[in-house]
Amino acid sequence: DSGVTQTPKHLITATGQRVTLRCSPRSGDLSVYWYQQSLDQGLQFLIQYYNGEERAKGNILERFSAQQFPDLHSELNLSSLELGDSALYFCASSGFGYAGNTIYFGEGSWLTVV
Amino acid sequence: GQNIDQPTEMTATEGAIVQINCTYQTSGFNGLFWYQQHAGEAPTFLSYNVLDGLEEKGRFSSFLSRSKGYSYLLLKELQMKDSASYLCAVTAGNKLTFGGGTRVLVKP
Repeated sequence: DSGVTQTPKHLITATGQRVTLRCSPRSGDLSVYWYQQSLDQGLQFLIQYYNGEERAKGNILERFSAQQFPDLHSELNLSSLELGDSALYFCASSGFGYAGNTIYFGEGSWLTVV
Repeated sequence: GQNIDQPTEMTATEGAIVQINCTYQTSGFNGLFWYQQHAGEAPTFLSYNVLDGLEEKGRFSSFLSRSKGYSYLLLKELQMKDSASYLCAVTAGNKLTFGGGTRVLVKP
């Protein structure tokens, strides 16, 4: 158990809908990362937050947004869903948000868009 | 940007040794991670290299050459449970970027 908690574990929704994925980082970790992994694909970095502020942005679509709350949990919002958004979405956390701190991953949220 | 290359797939025999290479091009390099990922599961941390040289941790070792933009992960005494994807990831500035992963299949 990495200590990073993600909910829901599985989600099936229709095209055009909106979903919210939730992540609680490890106790004491200030940095949260979101990654997308499509079937048989590598991990694609979406976005990073550090202590409530956006720190780095990857290939995140405009239909997607995220935030980190004062209690450090984070949410990833996916809207106007398309079939191609079906993927495993991972949240990860680390201590300070810069290199040198091991990043621990949650179990992921499986999103299926039908 | 960052460019990370690693082989797509490797096959090895139980008890043998396999070396997974990773080459990268990046500016502002901080360090390099290796993660193991079983299908449908979360990546789990294996090693982190900041300085040149070899880091040994049980059956797994990781090597880094910053001047060559090169790392490898060495898996010794392979076990069936080592069948997984191995992800090389580079940190630069505030970003951690993963390579596409190397799928290792261990055969009896």
